[in-house]
Amino acid sequence: DAGVTQSPTHLIKTRGQHVTLRCSPISGHKSVSWYQQVLGQGPQFIFQYYEKEERGRGNFPDRFSARQFPNYSSELNVNALLLGDSALYLCASRGRTVAPYNEQFFGPGTRLTVL
Amino acid sequence: AQSVAQPEDQVNVAEGNPLTVKCTYSVSGNPYLFWYVQYPNRGLQFLLKYITGDNLVKGSYGFEAEFNKSQTSFHLKKPSALVSDSALYFCAVRGWNTGFQKLVFGTGTRLLVSP
Repeated sequence: DAGVTQSPTHLIKTRGQHVTLRCSPISGHKSVSWYQQVLGQGPQFIFQYYEKEERGRGNFPDRFSARQFPNYSSELNVNALLLGDSALYLCASRGRTVAPYNEQFFGPGTRLTVL
Repeated sequence: AQSVAQPEDQVNVAEGNPLTVKCTYSVSGNPYLFWYVQYPNRGLQFLLKYITGDNLVKGSYGFEAEFNKSQTSFHLKKPSALVSDSALYFCAVRGWNTGFQKLVFGTGTRLLVSP
């Protein structure tokens, strides 16, 4: 099985612009979560989607939004970019069941730089 | 609220020596605990998890972790370190009663194994 894939790998934007990041989960996984990892910190939870519905949201402003498609892939959108949005954005998928003890499998991330 | 503390920014150890990376947690109820490793420019790779039962958990690449409920700790260990173990290690916790699949990460510990 292929792992979690994310695109693009790197992205450079300027302040005020909009960005869309994409994620494809492991085949058969229905849950996708997004995390933001600022340099020198641990990942911070942004969203979780399961069966195309938002199941959880972290402490991020409304400029951040996401959706999940029928094939369980997901997009993370960020509007009105700020310098502080520069980070590695990680997508994670979870196993075929969403038991709380199931580990998440992470993609390689998208490195976003906002100038 | 859930939280994780990794008190050491960096751990230095010589190849062949045992290593320990420390983690303490705070969560309501029983915890689900995880260790992930991150290599440069890569996403997070799952190492091991504690759900319930045996306090000593064995994981990938020869790593193990010891769960101590009274000390609310979940330290990562390896009997004999390899240079290739040099990476960034993250401890994460999820509370059993969290309504969605949010993982709370520590700030990470950089492990440096010298030849």
